[in-house]
Amino acid sequence: DGGITQSPKYLFRKEGQNVTLSCEQNLNHDAMYWYRQDPGQGLRLIYYSQIVNDFQKGDIAEGYSVSREKKESFPLTVTSAQKNPTAFYLCASSFIESSSANSPLHFGNGTRLTVT
Amino acid sequence: QKEVEQNSGPLSVPEGAIASLNCTYSDRVSQSFFWYRQYSGKSPELIMSIYSNGDKEDGRFTAQLNKASQYVSLLIRDSQPSDSATYLCAVKGRGSTLGRLYFGRGTQLTVWP
Repeated sequence: DGGITQSPKYLFRKEGQNVTLSCEQNLNHDAMYWYRQDPGQGLRLIYYSQIVNDFQKGDIAEGYSVSREKKESFPLTVTSAQKNPTAFYLCASSFIESSSANSPLHFGNGTRLTVT
Repeated sequence: QKEVEQNSGPLSVPEGAIASLNCTYSDRVSQSFFWYRQYSGKSPELIMSIYSNGDKEDGRFTAQLNKASQYVSLLIRDSQPSDSATYLCAVKGRGSTLGRLYFGRGTQLTVWP
């Protein structure tokens, strides 16, 4: 079945450690996205990528890094510079559409990161 | 900064009633609008998309779009307890931000039996 796989589901780290969250999709989508969700908050965009080897900062990119070496993969690294890393992280993907077409985002199941 | 505003709720309706969820957006040129449902602890799932003014119906769900008023709504008919979730309104960017979705904070809906 096609879909987006995020791993792990739960992740625990000590403060000061970098951690990488995995996201893989087999939907042949061009674009991939990372969102962060905090309790009672909406989704905030961290980074997105519309093509391999290219990515753009979202609204809250500080303290995060990404890579897009393959179309299927878009890992997110939460660095020690991120001041409040504990959150629910969601990866999503979509087709890149023309101005006349519309492609919704499809989400993975998320990774819940806890940093103590 | 594009803004998407939703009533945070919580919205509470009895089983069988119509639940009405509302959303306004700031970017007048937005063309694509989506409603996602998110159960507690889970990821959002797409339930409706709408691109043209008017109503779009899918089962018990109806999305309504009014671009002149920059307003999009979701009606849930015959509400069921299983509809209890947070509903996220999302608006797609255009131009340099094509592909990005801008999300509201969500409206929490509770359907009581």
